[in-house]
Amino acid sequence: TQLLEQSPQFLSIQEGENLTVYCNSSSVFSSLQWYRQEPGEGPVLLVTVVTGGEVKKLKRLTFQFGDARKDSSLHITAAQPGDTGLYLCAGARNYGQNFVFGPGTRLSVLP
Amino acid sequence: DSGVTQTPKHLITATGQRVTLRCSPRSGDLSVYWYQQSLDQGLQFLIQYYNGEERAKGNILERFSAQQFPDLHSELNLSSLELGDSALYFCASSLAATDTQYFGPGTRLTVL
Repeated sequence: TQLLEQSPQFLSIQEGENLTVYCNSSSVFSSLQWYRQEPGEGPVLLVTVVTGGEVKKLKRLTFQFGDARKDSSLHITAAQPGDTGLYLCAGARNYGQNFVFGPGTRLSVLP
Repeated sequence: DSGVTQTPKHLITATGQRVTLRCSPRSGDLSVYWYQQSLDQGLQFLIQYYNGEERAKGNILERFSAQQFPDLHSELNLSSLELGDSALYFCASSLAATDTQYFGPGTRLTVL
C-alpha cells in the first residue's frame, strides 16, 4: 500500500490546455514536495510546501497544500510540450523523517 | 545540473554478474540516498547513508549492498544479477540527514 497516492496515473493533453494532478494520503505530512522528472534524467525539485492551505506559484505552475496537510495539488495553466514528464510528490510525515515518494503522474503535452 | 554525479551512465551485463554503481554527492552534502526506478514499480527507496553511517534502509535486496566512504562518495553493489534488476538507479544527496534531496542523472542498468 502506497503512503502517497497520485492521480491520474497518466494524462495526455493538447498544448494550451489546463490540468490538475493530485497527491493524496490518509496521513498528515509536515512537508510535501513536488518533483518533475524528464525521460532519462533524475527528478528535479519544483517546490516544497509546509503550511496547511499554502499556495505557491512557479510561473504557470500553482501548488496547493491541503488545509489538513494530507493532500496536495499541482495545477498547470496553458500547458506546453516542455511540461512533459513524470510529476512526483514526496512527503515527510514528521520533521526528521525521510521523504516518501508517490508513484507519479506521467504527463504528455502534445503540440 | 544538480551537482550529483553518477557513473557509469549505462551498464549492460549478464545474469549472475556483479556490478558497482558510483555516486558523488553535491559538495558539502553529507547524506546519500539510493533509489531504484523501474516502469512498473516507480521510485523505490533502497538505502540512505549519513556521514559514512547507514541511516535508513528501504526495499533493498540482500544481493545488494552499499557503503559511503570517508570522502562521502557512495557505491551501490549489485550481485547475482537477475533480469528483473534491470532499472534506472538514482543517487540523491542532501546536506543534512532529512533535508531536500538532489538527484543525480542515474545509471541505466540492463541485465541480459
